[in-house]
Amino acid sequence: QVLVVQSGAEVKKPGASVKVSCKASGYTFNSYAFSWVRQAPGQGLEWMGWISAFNGNTNYAQNFQARVTMTTDTSTSTAYMELRSLRSDDTAVYYCAREPLVFGSGMDVWGQGTTVTVSS
Amino acid sequence: EIVLTQSPATLSLSPGERATLSCRASQSVSSYLAWYQHRPGQAPRLLIYDASNRATGVPARFSGGGSGTDFTLTVSSLEPEDFAVYYCQQRNNWPFTFGPGTKVDIK
Repeated sequence: QVLVVQSGAEVKKPGASVKVSCKASGYTFNSYAFSWVRQAPGQGLEWMGWISAFNGNTNYAQNFQARVTMTTDTSTSTAYMELRSLRSDDTAVYYCAREPLVFGSGMDVWGQGTTVTVSS
Repeated sequence: EIVLTQSPATLSLSPGERATLSCRASQSVSSYLAWYQHRPGQAPRLLIYDASNRATGVPARFSGGGSGTDFTLTVSSLEPEDFAVYYCQQRNNWPFTFGPGTKVDIK
């Protein structure tokens, strides 16, 4: 069974960093990529960036370029997303999602989401 | 950045009715458009990829069409579990932007 399980909820102060993990199982980890998506309260889905688990190549949305780092650890089949210099408007549910390493396609297996709350 | 516009913002329908959702791109995305269903409290679910291909396990009542800048998602006969928010996402150009969503609610 293909599964993607994310780390638990986080509460952070403004200016801090958060690192969310996404552990995959049931498939060959480095044959896919991951996208990270967030949803702030009452808002829609926002694509943050993408990382290939094959070679570590990344592509970040401009809104996050300066503050985000996405990585993978093939030894543990885990993807990570670190967001720095947190602000109150970073309060959101953060999702990771697997996607095939082919042009087009879509995010076919999603994690359960990680709630990140930024509050002083 | 490619901007996606979805219409209508809200669609109020009854179970058994047909739903037709629209997604328009600010420039051509070829056929590289995906549709997702998002129910409250759950993770989004991939319905359609490459404009018209149903993802694994997606019922046949869901269909997608279009190419270039204009796309549609059709639900032929709404089931109670289909009342949700639907997002399109273009996957032709970085960044892979989402549309603002269409909420399908019960009339």
